[in-house]
Amino acid sequence: EAQVTQNPRYLITVTGKKLTVTCSQNMNHEYMSWYRQDPGLGLRQIYYSMNVEVTDKGDVPEGYKVSRKEKRNFPLILESPSPNQTSLYFCASSSASGGGNEKLFFGSGTQLSVL
Amino acid sequence: EDQVTQSPEALRLQEGESSSLNCSYTVSGLRGLFWYRQDPGKGPEFLFTLYSAGEEKEKERLKATLTKKESFLHITAPKPEDSATYLCAVQAPNDMRFGAGTRLTVKP
Repeated sequence: EAQVTQNPRYLITVTGKKLTVTCSQNMNHEYMSWYRQDPGLGLRQIYYSMNVEVTDKGDVPEGYKVSRKEKRNFPLILESPSPNQTSLYFCASSSASGGGNEKLFFGSGTQLSVL
Repeated sequence: EDQVTQSPEALRLQEGESSSLNCSYTVSGLRGLFWYRQDPGKGPEFLFTLYSAGEEKEKERLKATLTKKESFLHITAPKPEDSATYLCAVQAPNDMRFGAGTRLTVKP
């Protein structure tokens, strides 16, 4: 089954404790992206990757890191989480090599709470 | 700056009561407008892509239309299982931007 898998689904942590949210897709997609979803603000892009070893900032990259060492994996790293990073996070992928005009496939989300 | 505005924020309908959701946008060089459905606790799921003004797409009780400034998602005779949040997104040359969504509730 074609899917984007995120882990964990729920995560509660404390300020400053480094964490990683994993994302993997089995569709051989070129493009992968991370979003955060906050009430009333919609989905905002954090980082995206057009292909292996190519990543770029989205609208809200501060406090986040990503890496794309393999085509299928695109982890999101919070080196020193803060309470304003409490949010619902989604990983997404698409077959668009140029990053546009193709539908996105989303993971099930990671609800992060930073205390 | 590219912007996407969805209205209303929330919509409550009786089963069978048809209505429309609006997505208005300002973007330079629209490459596509997407509609997604999001159920509670899940990621958005793709519904439609529209590429040019005048284009229409249909799927079951849903029909999406596109003009140069806005898109409508028409829901005909909705059922309770159509209850969800509907998201609109616009693809510009260097940017994909999402609206905040319309939360639809259909009462039996």
